[in-house]
Amino acid sequence: ETGVTQSPTHLIKTRGQQVTLRCSSQSGHNTVSWYQQALGQGPQFIFQYYREEENGRGNFPPRFSGLQFPNYSSELNVNALELDDSALYLCASGTTAGAYEQYFGPGTRLTVT
Amino acid sequence: QKEVEQDPGPLSVPEGAIVSLNCTYSNSAFQYFMWYRQYSRKGPELLMYTYSSGNKEDGRFTAQVDKSSKYISLFIRDSQPSDSATYLCAMSAASKLTFGTGTRLQVTL
Repeated sequence: ETGVTQSPTHLIKTRGQQVTLRCSSQSGHNTVSWYQQALGQGPQFIFQYYREEENGRGNFPPRFSGLQFPNYSSELNVNALELDDSALYLCASGTTAGAYEQYFGPGTRLTVT
Repeated sequence: QKEVEQDPGPLSVPEGAIVSLNCTYSNSAFQYFMWYRQYSRKGPELLMYTYSSGNKEDGRFTAQVDKSSKYISLFIRDSQPSDSATYLCAMSAASKLTFGTGTRLQVTL
């Protein structure tokens, strides 16, 4: 177990709705990253937060947004959900702004109908 | 062309075999090279990371990086049924990890 937790485990939403996913990082980890993993694919980088500021973003539209809080928790918000947003959303935390040595949570499986 | 290429398998080997998993990449900016293991319905688990070309060993696992060929490998010795999982290679440049598609490994009794 890595100490990174995510909630909820599963979620079903309707196209056009908004969703908030939550992550609690390991204590002392000041970096959190979010990834999207479609079935049969590797995780795709959404963005990273370092000390509560966005520190890099992948090829995802602005309707994907995030927040990082001082208590090692973070959120991923997705607006105007589309069917292609159905995936496993993974949160990873680490102690450096670099992407190596990141520890992943179990993920939230989002289904958009 | 994808930045990171990984054969999706599946790869099936008998218990006790040596397993070789490989990835190639095209981006020279990648600095760190990671291997993750992912069991079904779980998050990826970091196995090893390396920075420079060469070998790094941890128990039954050996990671190998050849930056000149843009090729990385993970060797698993004395494979066990509990090693059955998807193995993801990943590479980092700055804040971003770029993953391969993963290789599904099945170790049979």
